[in-house]
Amino acid sequence: DTAVSQTPKYLVTQMGNDKSIKCEQNLGHDTMYWYKQDSKKFLKIMFSYNNKELIINETVPNRFSPKSPDKAHLNLHINSLELGDSAVYFCASSKKGGGRSRNEQFFGPGTRLTVL
Amino acid sequence: DAKTTQPPSMDCAEGRAANLPCNHSTISGNEYVYWYRQIHSQGPQYIIHGLKNNETNEMASLIITEDRKSSTLILPHATLRDTAVYYCIVRDYNYGQNFVFGPGTRLSVLP
Repeated sequence: DTAVSQTPKYLVTQMGNDKSIKCEQNLGHDTMYWYKQDSKKFLKIMFSYNNKELIINETVPNRFSPKSPDKAHLNLHINSLELGDSAVYFCASSKKGGGRSRNEQFFGPGTRLTVL
Repeated sequence: DAKTTQPPSMDCAEGRAANLPCNHSTISGNEYVYWYRQIHSQGPQYIIHGLKNNETNEMASLIITEDRKSSTLILPHATLRDTAVYYCIVRDYNYGQNFVFGPGTRLSVLP
């Protein structure tokens, strides 16, 4: 059983197109995330979202928008794709927990986006 | 920016213990130390975390110095499948602070 799944695994598209990456988790978690890993392999948070709050990394262009149809899904929409958007995008989820709870994040397998 | 520093790469012989160091000299009292790893092309995987006591689970052991300014992840019997990038992260245990990944340590387990 896949805990966090993403589709597609690979996405090749032309500059200027609009595309979406889907993410689903079956862990019953209430918080989901999107990360970007660029060619230099740095993994950077883009968004964190639960049903009450969206936290956006201020460096993320507004061409990127997360959309959550329900608690188990957080899809990433990207408008007007640019060459620099080429990267691997990872979805993750965690249980909301304050105090000393583990709060580990479970990551999906990644989506490799190539913009030509 | 990541609050940790790690060596960029390390080698370890198969079957031997791999000891991966991490410095976090500015760690605050509310911050846990987490370790994740990323095997080539896969999503990061949680390994272990701790606050101030040493921790052990089925994957690894975590040794945190008494002043909490550094820690060591120990893989007791490294296998070829442990070849990966290992990330040391400090994170406030108050919910809401995201994980900030640095460049990590690329561990190569050699046959």
